Amino acid sequence: DAGVIQSPRHEVTEMGQEVTLRCKPISGHDYLFWYRQTMMRGLELLIYFNNNVPIDDSGMPEDRFSAKMPNASFSTLKIQPSEPRDSAVYFCATRGEQFFGPGTRLTVL
Amino acid sequence: QKEVEQNSGPLSVPEGAIASLNCTYSDRGSQSFFWYRQYSGKSPELIMSIYSNGDKEDGRFTAQLNKASQYVSLLIRDSQPSDSATYLCAVNMIGNTGKLIFGQGTTLQVKP
Repeated sequence: DAGVIQSPRHEVTEMGQEVTLRCKPISGHDYLFWYRQTMMRGLELLIYFNNNVPIDDSGMPEDRFSAKMPNASFSTLKIQPSEPRDSAVYFCATRGEQFFGPGTRLTVL
Repeated sequence: QKEVEQNSGPLSVPEGAIASLNCTYSDRGSQSFFWYRQYSGKSPELIMSIYSNGDKEDGRFTAQLNKASQYVSLLIRDSQPSDSATYLCAVNMIGNTGKLIFGQGTTLQVKP
């Protein structure tokens, strides 16, 4: 198994642009988590899904952030419009003890 | 009060010494506890999990849990320079299946 796959690995965009981050979880893992990591705030849980259904989105910072999981093998995290303070590493992780993907380093100029 | 607290460090130990990393948590009903290692620029990697009071050993790593004191620790014996990383403590809060709360992490430096 290739593990959790995230794309893109790096994203540089300008303020106001839409950003879409993608995650392919490990097959058979029924939970999927989106995290954001910054030096100041550490690792923060944004949202998690169970069997493709959003369970807890209380960590989503504001309405500019949205996440979907249309099927068991794919999830997206969208930021629209992006702002410089969204710059961070975004991780996707799956089930239980949580296997993390390699992350997407987002820079918003 | 933060839900999961760790000393940010850096904790510096000489090669071959024992490194002791500590974590406290606020929810007395927490059930599951995890230690992750994160190298700079990489994603967190699970290294230990513990669910009951006492010690759990895996190679050079020992996790210790004391639920009465709401305290979990990680001991690394015979520390190696390759152990230099940030160690994240995570707690599964009661009533939230699968949801982990992470501490800020402790940076460990093992000097040759």
